[in-house]
Amino acid sequence: EPEVTQTPSHQVTQMGQEVILRCVPISNHLYFYWYRQILGQKVEFLVSFYNNEISEKSEIFDDQFSVERPDGSNFTLKIRSTKLEDSAMYFCASGTVPSYEQYFGPGTRLTVT
Amino acid sequence: AQTVTQSQPEMSVQEAETVTLSCTYDTSESDYYLFWYKQPPSRQMILVIRQEAYKQQNATENRFSVNFQKAAKSFSLKISDSQLGDAAMYFCAYRSRKRGSQGNLIFGKGTKLSVKP
Repeated sequence: EPEVTQTPSHQVTQMGQEVILRCVPISNHLYFYWYRQILGQKVEFLVSFYNNEISEKSEIFDDQFSVERPDGSNFTLKIRSTKLEDSAMYFCASGTVPSYEQYFGPGTRLTVT
Repeated sequence: AQTVTQSQPEMSVQEAETVTLSCTYDTSESDYYLFWYKQPPSRQMILVIRQEAYKQQNATENRFSVNFQKAAKSFSLKISDSQLGDAAMYFCAYRSRKRGSQGNLIFGKGTKLSVKP
């Protein structure tokens, strides 16, 4: 069964460094999402992406964040200059249409020191 | 803005018994979807069950069923005949059906379910 994959599973970085989190959505999906979960808190929506552009973003998704689909398979989340409060689990998800199920990846745990 | 509240951080159930997980939400919209997702330890979230707000009938999927009370904005999940494999974090989620919405999910904080053999 097709799955969403994410790499790396755990990333440790120093404050101020740039990180790129990678996701490979399910191949025939058209809608892509990033969510994050700070330890002990809710899973929060960051951004949705469709037709090679951002379709919605939350207040969390400020200028430090960007997303890209550089080729036909990868979907990346870049954080330009990481802060301590960016430490969280980041989940990628994809779906065929907005009203249907979103399939989640296993997440990347980002630790900013 | 919509919010989702899960008031039970942890629940426990004996194998083969029934457990109900609570979820309430707040919205001014009349048309939306509600979901329960399951996240086993170190695994990805998977969809357990989905409910369309316009449907009065409660959704069921095998041992999983919901009690959807639209007026009360309540959406509880009942797991019957609990199995060891049901142990996981369960998230309640809301999605708008508003025209133009791209489907981002709004989650509750989750309920950690333990199943005792």
